[in-house]
Amino acid sequence: QQQVKQSPQSLIVQKGGIPIINCAYENTAFDYFPWYQQFPGKGPALLIAIRPDVSEKKEGRFTISFNKSAKQFSLHIMDSQPGDSATYFCAASIGFGNEKLTFGTGTRLTIIP
Amino acid sequence: DTGVSQDPRHKITKRGQNVTFRCDPISEHNRLYWYRQTLGQGPEFLTYFQNEAQLEKSRLLSDRFSAERPKGSFSTLEIQRTEQGDSAMYLCASSSRTNTEAFFGQGTRLTVV
Repeated sequence: QQQVKQSPQSLIVQKGGIPIINCAYENTAFDYFPWYQQFPGKGPALLIAIRPDVSEKKEGRFTISFNKSAKQFSLHIMDSQPGDSATYFCAASIGFGNEKLTFGTGTRLTIIP
Repeated sequence: DTGVSQDPRHKITKRGQNVTFRCDPISEHNRLYWYRQTLGQGPEFLTYFQNEAQLEKSRLLSDRFSAERPKGSFSTLEIQRTEQGDSAMYLCASSSRTNTEAFFGQGTRLTVV
């Protein structure tokens, strides 16, 4: 049972564009929503995370938009660069923030020069 | 602080053999997690330790799998009687009591032939 659905599966954007990756969750008990970036051969690395008491969070070029009523959240990457090419995973968990992260299936992002 | 370290990075084994992986978390981190990631999918939670106590196990962790963290520091994940379906990347992550970020290691890629 997939509790976090992620789309699109892959995305190609020109340099400077704004890729948007979307996730939807089912479990209303989730209260921590991180995004991870993974390069080939590496483990996932935390990019940015949000809790449901805010609708938006920005860190550098990365922004999370959160819609609690729709049970959806999305990642926007401003001024995208070829170095942002990676696989991005949304995730969700209940409680402190780390126990039993439930991941989406990932989005392979390619930024073309 | 050298991050989360996993050993080996790659393991090829014949079906039916036992394998053991090791994870060394970041030194001050008391929480340790094991995840499994198959190709094209997000990581799936396997189990979680707080210090030496194993607090939660996923139903994905069949009785052929066992994890230990004997002194609350490094952890081992053993798979007995490996099957081809066990082929995956096994990721370890750690976090501290006061920081919500989980840091992942580079993973151990297991191939069962």
